[in-house]
Amino acid sequence: GDSVTQMEGPVTLSEEAFLTINCTYTATGYPSLFWYVQYPGEGLQLLLKATKADDKGSNKGFEATYRKETTSFHLEKGSVQVSDSAVYFCALTGTGTASKLTFGTGTRLQVTL
Amino acid sequence: DTGVSQDPRHKITKRGQNVTFRCDPISEHNRLYWYRQTLGQGPEFLTYFQNEAQLEKSRLLSDRFSAERPKGSFSTLEIQRTEQGDSAMYLCASSIGQRNTEAFFGQGTRLTVV
Repeated sequence: GDSVTQMEGPVTLSEEAFLTINCTYTATGYPSLFWYVQYPGEGLQLLLKATKADDKGSNKGFEATYRKETTSFHLEKGSVQVSDSAVYFCALTGTGTASKLTFGTGTRLQVTL
Repeated sequence: DTGVSQDPRHKITKRGQNVTFRCDPISEHNRLYWYRQTLGQGPEFLTYFQNEAQLEKSRLLSDRFSAERPKGSFSTLEIQRTEQGDSAMYLCASSIGQRNTEAFFGQGTRLTVV
């Protein structure tokens, strides 16, 4: 079945540091890929998405590129802020009609001053 | 519309009791999903509805679990004879049902079975 593997956290960075959170997936066909973020005390929110190979999703300074050859969708940000502290989930929807999400285990990011 | 709302936010129950959770999706969304999230894990799919029809159920959804969505609006998730292993965050999400569209999540109901 479909699966998503994320790098384990927590990841602790100083403000303005470069962020990479690795994500790889296993799926049949051509899944759509997502990054969701969960800020403390809040629900999951979509951060960005990419629906086909070589697409780049971007939002709030975060980027991720759909790499089919490496089955990866790594999240990057050039300069993190304290307000980016949250749990980040990589996810995919498979080729079925349900559009149900398969999530990774999440990576906690802590940004310090 | 203020988004997906779930009620209650927290529920503590004794083992063996029945519990019911409610989810109110975004009003124009015809798809509604239930997920379960345990500590340190990502959400796992339980079931989904297209309007009032329940179209798929995960094998995680044992026969003690039942979900309904009467009239295609709000949904309820009932757990009968709760067990300690049912302790988790139960998340509801809704979407307009087209492929690749965003699913909007509620804040979840945290269930603790003691």
